[in-house]
Amino acid sequence: AAGVIQSPRHLIKEKRETATLKCYPIPRHDTVYWYQQGPGQDPQFLISFYEKMQSDKGSIPDRFSAQQFSDYHSELNMSSLELGDSALYFCASSPGPGLPGNIQYFGAGTRLSVL
Amino acid sequence: AQTVTQSQPEMSVQEAETVTLSCTYDTSESDYYLFWYKQPPSRQMILVIRQEAYKQQNATENRFSVNFQKAAKSFSLKISDSQLGDAAMYFCAYFGNEKLTFGTGTRLTIIP
Repeated sequence: AAGVIQSPRHLIKEKRETATLKCYPIPRHDTVYWYQQGPGQDPQFLISFYEKMQSDKGSIPDRFSAQQFSDYHSELNMSSLELGDSALYFCASSPGPGLPGNIQYFGAGTRLSVL
Repeated sequence: AQTVTQSQPEMSVQEAETVTLSCTYDTSESDYYLFWYKQPPSRQMILVIRQEAYKQQNATENRFSVNFQKAAKSFSLKISDSQLGDAAMYFCAYFGNEKLTFGTGTRLTIIP
C-alpha cells in the first residue's frame, strides 16, 4: 500500500539559508500534518491542512510557512534557518478530520541539519 | 491544553516476558482518541494501537493491548511475549483539536 512520501530524506543547510520540505500524502487523504522532532524530544505539532486550507497551527515560527496544493501535497518552507531548526520533520496524512479514528500515517521524515 | 505524561523514560524487559508502559493525560474533552506509536532506531513513526475514548473495551492488536481507565485518565500499553524487534522508543499520544499531542516517550530495551 502507498505510504506518505517525504522529500528530501536528508537536507544540510547553512545558517540563514532557506529550505523547502515536501510531503505527498497517501492517495485520497486530504489532511496533512507537520511535526518537528528535535534530538531526544517528542514530536511537536507545527501546522495542519484540510482540503488545502490551514486547519490548525501550533508552535510554528514566523520564519516557517506551509501550504497544501490542489493535488493535496504539502510543502513546508523554512527561511533564515537557525541552528535550533536542526531536527527531524515529519509529515503525516489522514483521510479527513471528520472521519472517526483520525489515524495519522507518518512519513519517514526529513532530517534537517543546519550548520 | 491537553498534556500527555510518560513517567518512565526507560524500561527494559527480558525477551518473551511482558512489560507495561505507563501513560497519563489531561483533558477536559469527553470524546477523543489515544494512540501508542513506536519509533525504532530508523526514526519511522509506526502506529501500534488506538483507543477511542467512548469505547470501554480495551483495544488489542496481537501481542499489544491497552489498559484504558477513562476516569483516571490513564492509558497504559502492555506488550506480551516481548521480541527483540520491539526495542524502540514508545510514544503515547492524544488526539484532540485536530492534532496529536505526544508524551516524552519511553525507551524500551529488550534483553536477550
